Amino acid sequence: QIQLVQSGAEVKKPGSSVRVSCEASGDTFSNFVISWVRQAPRQGPEWMGAIIAMFGTSIYAQNFKGRVTITADKSTSTVYMDLSSLKSDDTAVYYCARVPPGWRTGGWYFDFWGRGTLVTVSS
Amino acid sequence: EVVLTQSPGTLSLSPGDTVTLSCRASQTLSGDFLAWYQQKPGQAPRLLIYGVSSRATDIPDKFSGSGSGTDFTLTISRLDPEDFAVYYCQHHGASPYSFGQGTKLEIK
Repeated sequence: QIQLVQSGAEVKKPGSSVRVSCEASGDTFSNFVISWVRQAPRQGPEWMGAIIAMFGTSIYAQNFKGRVTITADKSTSTVYMDLSSLKSDDTAVYYCARVPPGWRTGGWYFDFWGRGTLVTVSS
Repeated sequence: EVVLTQSPGTLSLSPGDTVTLSCRASQTLSGDFLAWYQQKPGQAPRLLIYGVSSRATDIPDKFSGSGSGTDFTLTISRLDPEDFAVYYCQHHGASPYSFGQGTKLEIK
């Protein structure tokens, strides 16, 4: 069974950075395509970017380019999302989510999700 | 970027009702790249439908999706108490993989 286990809640100051981790299991790590999706209070989800573990390639939504970096550590089957220059409106729950096999033709939807990591940005 | 507009924002219904939720795209979606999710308070979204009309694993056939072009719908038959939640559509054809703002089903 696919499982995505995320790191715990964070409280950060404006201007600082945060790292959220997502440990993947249930399949060979190189088969994973992991996306990061955030959800601000009372808002819809927002896709931030993703990493294709097989190639180590990351892609990012334009809204986050320059502020977000997604990396993977194959030795620990863990994906990391770093977000810099934090602002109060970055306060949200951050989810990692799997893109199912067949993504090359089927597009990128998300069938397994982590439980989410609350990041609070406050002075 | 594809913008998805869901309507209405909130629906008040009774268990046993059948409901159709709407998701309109700002431009024609090439291919059947529209998904639906259910989200309950404090939980991650749960995939219901992908490719406009394909049910995800273990999703009962009371959930059905349809549509094409710019207009898509999710129909939920015979609402059970556990179906009252927020539903989101998502475009999954090309980056950025945008979501709608959601429709909340509440018990009347």
